[in-house]
Amino acid sequence: DIVLTQSPDSLAVSLGERATINCESSQSILYSANNKNYLAWYQQKPGQPPKLLIYWASTRQSGVPDRFSGSGSGTHFTLTISSLQAEDVAVYYCHQYYTTLMYSFGQGTKVEIK
Amino acid sequence: EVHLVQSGAELKKPGESLRISCEASGYSFSSYWISWVRQKPGTGLEWMGRVDPSDSHTNYNPSFQGHVTISFDMSLSTAYLRWSWLEASDTAIYYCARHYGEAYDYWGQGTLVTVSS
Repeated sequence: DIVLTQSPDSLAVSLGERATINCESSQSILYSANNKNYLAWYQQKPGQPPKLLIYWASTRQSGVPDRFSGSGSGTHFTLTISSLQAEDVAVYYCHQYYTTLMYSFGQGTKVEIK
Repeated sequence: EVHLVQSGAELKKPGESLRISCEASGYSFSSYWISWVRQKPGTGLEWMGRVDPSDSHTNYNPSFQGHVTISFDMSLSTAYLRWSWLEASDTAIYYCARHYGEAYDYWGQGTLVTVSS
């Protein structure tokens, strides 16, 4: 099974500053046939379901502000919030869909305002 | 507009059975897989299994295989998650989610299941 490990578990960032969340996969999730990384990022606010932010590691979902960006390939991935806003306080999860019979999520990273 | 609307919160006793639902609207139900995801209180997300309404094929996380059953009713555009024997450890919020290129683009609002004697 593919294990996703996020770091840090939590971080506090000042408004307007950059927030960076890492996601490390226990094996490559880059599919060579189409050169796509099978990784997504979600945002979950208290009392709400997760919301898709990024898929294919770097493609922003429609309607997601451009301060959110995804990067990385193979086993190391990053979600960056370029200028943190108050409404970005949430838990963020990475998700691999490379193994179609056994999807998995990272443990989550809690983002707060410093 | 796409919506996934789940059934309401449930309070059950250990050993009881339960079926929760996820009604889809705003798109062709047969065209997208549906997954179920568990979230225990204060913890992360766990993929439980998925169903492909176009061919009825299901896949389960081995951790949940044999304990839950995923099904659907095409005529109602509704997916279901069923337990025949609940345990206290099943207490959680359960989400349905629509696959989009295998990521999940739409989620239900969640169903809280509490199992307590």
